[in-house]
Amino acid sequence: GQQLNQSPQSMFIQEGEDVSMNCTSSSIFNTWLWYKQDPGEGPVLLIALYKAGELTSNGRLTAQFGITRKDSFLNISASIPSDVGIYFCAGQLSGGNEKLTFGTGTRLTIIP
Amino acid sequence: NAGVTQTPKFQVLKTGQSMTLQCAQDMNHEYMSWYRQDPGMGLRLIHYSVGAGITDQGEVPNGYNVSRSTTEDFPLRLLSAAPSQTSVYFCASSYSMAGGVGQPQHFGDGTRLSIL
Repeated sequence: GQQLNQSPQSMFIQEGEDVSMNCTSSSIFNTWLWYKQDPGEGPVLLIALYKAGELTSNGRLTAQFGITRKDSFLNISASIPSDVGIYFCAGQLSGGNEKLTFGTGTRLTIIP
Repeated sequence: NAGVTQTPKFQVLKTGQSMTLQCAQDMNHEYMSWYRQDPGMGLRLIHYSVGAGITDQGEVPNGYNVSRSTTEDFPLRLLSAAPSQTSVYFCASSYSMAGGVGQPQHFGDGTRLSIL
């Protein structure tokens, strides 16, 4: 099946630093989604991207839908302790096929 | 508004036992799905449904059955549990897509299942 390569697998940063992560696919997607998962909970949607080249922000988070439709990027500015968690990208085809393909996740840890 | 509710939150089974994981949503979503989450592998789709009475297989369907008799409920059944099915299971729901525009999925908090 389709696979999404998400990198980096883990990040150790200090509070206040900016964070960047990305997701690449061997296939084209028409929707890119970014989720955050806290321990013991299900993924929560952060940002949804529906158009190639689209740049969308949600507070300190900014995500971009790559022009080729095979990649997406998530940036977090001025990280704070509550940003700790696992971030997942997901690609979704349109045209009546709602199945999501998930990346393997980026685990973000903030060093005191 | 409860969203997506999964029960139980934790379960331990012996190999060969059967069990049903429950999932209910109160958002009148047509699309529901089950994922399993294993370390280092992200979420993998087990089965999904695009509406009451319609189900289809995902990426890893073997060992699992589903049914969708109502819009609200989408139970996942393990007929004969195996240690390889030890995982965290997530149910998700969303509106069906229209006009090619994606509709994000909403996830439950998961069921942590251990098979001994």
